[in-house]
Amino acid sequence: EPEVTQTPSHQVTQMGQEVILRCVPISNHLYFYWYRQILGQKVEFLVSFYNNEISEKSEIFDDQFSVERPDGSNFTLKIRSTKLEDSAMYFCASSQDSWSYEQYFGPGTRLTVT
Amino acid sequence: QQQVKQSPQSLIVQKGGISIINCAYENTAFDYFPWYQQFPGKGPALLIAIRPDVSEKKEGRFTISFNKSAKQFSLHIMDSQPGDSATYFCAASRGFGNEKLTFGTGTRLTIIP
Repeated sequence: EPEVTQTPSHQVTQMGQEVILRCVPISNHLYFYWYRQILGQKVEFLVSFYNNEISEKSEIFDDQFSVERPDGSNFTLKIRSTKLEDSAMYFCASSQDSWSYEQYFGPGTRLTVT
Repeated sequence: QQQVKQSPQSLIVQKGGISIINCAYENTAFDYFPWYQQFPGKGPALLIAIRPDVSEKKEGRFTISFNKSAKQFSLHIMDSQPGDSATYFCAASRGFGNEKLTFGTGTRLTIIP
């Protein structure tokens, strides 16, 4: 069964450093998302992406964040200058098209900022 | 108005019993209500979902009950098994393509022998 994959599974970085989290959505899906989950808390929406453009972003998704689909398979989240409070699990998700409501999540990248 | 409220925060059920988790929403524009199951260290996995045109949906041991007038929906797990021990999140969205999911706060379910 097709699945969303994410790399790395765990990333440790120092405060102020740039990180890039990578995702490979399900191959025939057109809509992509990033969510994050601070330890023990609920999953929060960051950004949605369609047709090489951001569709919607949350208040969390400030100028330090950016997303990109550099090729036909990868979808990346970049945090330009990490802060301690960016430590969280970051989940990529994808959905097929405008008629398919289901969003499928990847296994996540645990980001630890020290 | 975007919140989804979920209860209880944690739940302990005996094996074979019924687990019930409740959610409530305020935004009447929501029209898609999925439940996700999450095991420690894993991503949320879509379990079952409902649209408001039906009041109940059943898949195996999992049932969603939906009350549109009360703006509430619940997950029932029949014949609960130790393997069902996980965190369950309800969510809601406006449903049509590219809409974000708004998640509840999660329920940690533990099934005891």
